Amino acid sequence: EVQLVESGGGLVQPGRSLRLSCAASGFTFDDYAMHWVRQAPGKGLEWVSSISWGSGDIGYADSVKGRFTISRDNAKNSLYLQMNSLRDEDTALYYCAKGKRSSIVVPAAVDYWGQGTLVTISS
Amino acid sequence: DIQMTQSPSTLSASVGDRVTITCRASQSISSWLAWYQQKPGKAPKLLIHKASSLESGVPSRFSGSGSGTEFTLTISSLRPDDFATYYCQQYNSYWTFGQGTKVEIK
Repeated sequence: EVQLVESGGGLVQPGRSLRLSCAASGFTFDDYAMHWVRQAPGKGLEWVSSISWGSGDIGYADSVKGRFTISRDNAKNSLYLQMNSLRDEDTALYYCAKGKRSSIVVPAAVDYWGQGTLVTISS
Repeated sequence: DIQMTQSPSTLSASVGDRVTITCRASQSISSWLAWYQQKPGKAPKLLIHKASSLESGVPSRFSGSGSGTEFTLTISSLRPDDFATYYCQQYNSYWTFGQGTKVEIK
């Protein structure tokens, strides 16, 4: 059974940093691209970042480019999101999601999602 | 950036109704479109990918169609478990989600 378990969320002040983690199990982690998607309270889904199986291709939404860094450790079956210079508008539930393919260059949807970790930015 | 526009934003329907949700892309995305179902407090669930391919385990009352810029999700006969919010997603160029369609009980 595929499981994605996010952690690392919490309440932080604007301008500070936070690192999210996603522990994956139930599939061959290094065969698939991985993604972060967020959802602000009561709002819709917003893509944040994607990383290919081997970290060779990475993409970011304009809203986080230059502030967030996605990475993965295939030996630990883990996905990460380093979030710096956090803003009020980054407040959201952050989901880790598994792609249906190994690449982010070849179009593919997401077939599994974690339950999310809540990030709240407030002074 | 590719924009996705879903309609309607809210849909009131009864059990047994046929329901159709539309998603329009601001430019052609070929068939690189997915539909997700999300229930309150839960993660999204993939229903349809590549515009019309039913994800494994998803009931056949769900179907998708379209290509280019116009897409539809149809639920042939609404079940109680189908009351939820539905999102379309383009993945032709990075990702963009529609704003969501809430299917509520009439």
